[in-house]
Amino acid sequence: AQSVAQPEDQVNVAEGNPLTVKCTYSVSGNPYLFWYVQYPNRGLQFLLKYITGDNLVKGSYGFEAEFNKSQTSFHLKKPSALVSDSALYFCAVRPLSGGYNKLIFGAGTRLAVHP
Amino acid sequence: DAGVIQSPRHEVTEMGQEVTLRCKPISGHNSLFWYRQTMMRGLELLIYFNNNVPIDDSGMPEDRFSAKMPNASFSTLKIQPSEPRDSAVYFCASSDGTGELFFGEGSRLTVL
Repeated sequence: AQSVAQPEDQVNVAEGNPLTVKCTYSVSGNPYLFWYVQYPNRGLQFLLKYITGDNLVKGSYGFEAEFNKSQTSFHLKKPSALVSDSALYFCAVRPLSGGYNKLIFGAGTRLAVHP
Repeated sequence: DAGVIQSPRHEVTEMGQEVTLRCKPISGHNSLFWYRQTMMRGLELLIYFNNNVPIDDSGMPEDRFSAKMPNASFSTLKIQPSEPRDSAVYFCASSDGTGELFFGEGSRLTVL
């Protein structure tokens, strides 16, 4: 079955410290991978995506993610966290089969950045 | 571009009433998705359309739920009759085929 796992319900980090939000996936073939962020009472916003090429992808607001095929992971990272980064983060995968843009989302990880 | 537009933003209704949620996708996008978000179940895909045609409605929870896309610029999600367990935030999203989904701000439904 195709799935996305975000093993941490919540990640706490101090402002200025590096942060990592973990994501692993289980799909056949080489999928497209995405990260989205959701602020309170808002819709999901696109952060970054991996399709092919360099395993390190850079996105919005200083975030980046590293695709690791052998570990089937796509962890989200930022070198220095800001309090304003506090939000709900979703990893998503688009299986290459099917031909449409259907995304499978993880359960989400709440990031709390403390001053 | 105004982005994906959803209405209403908030809806409070009583059990048994009909609820209609509306979505206007981004112009030129050929795929449209309806998601439901709850604390217990997270983000669930209910149904998606490609070129106005429903492709996969396996996520629609019951026959009480129905969705239509009469043209490329409008879609509705209808619940009839509504029940308290339908209370959730319903999101519409559209895509242009690049893989990225653009989400609306959501419709928060409360069924009393």
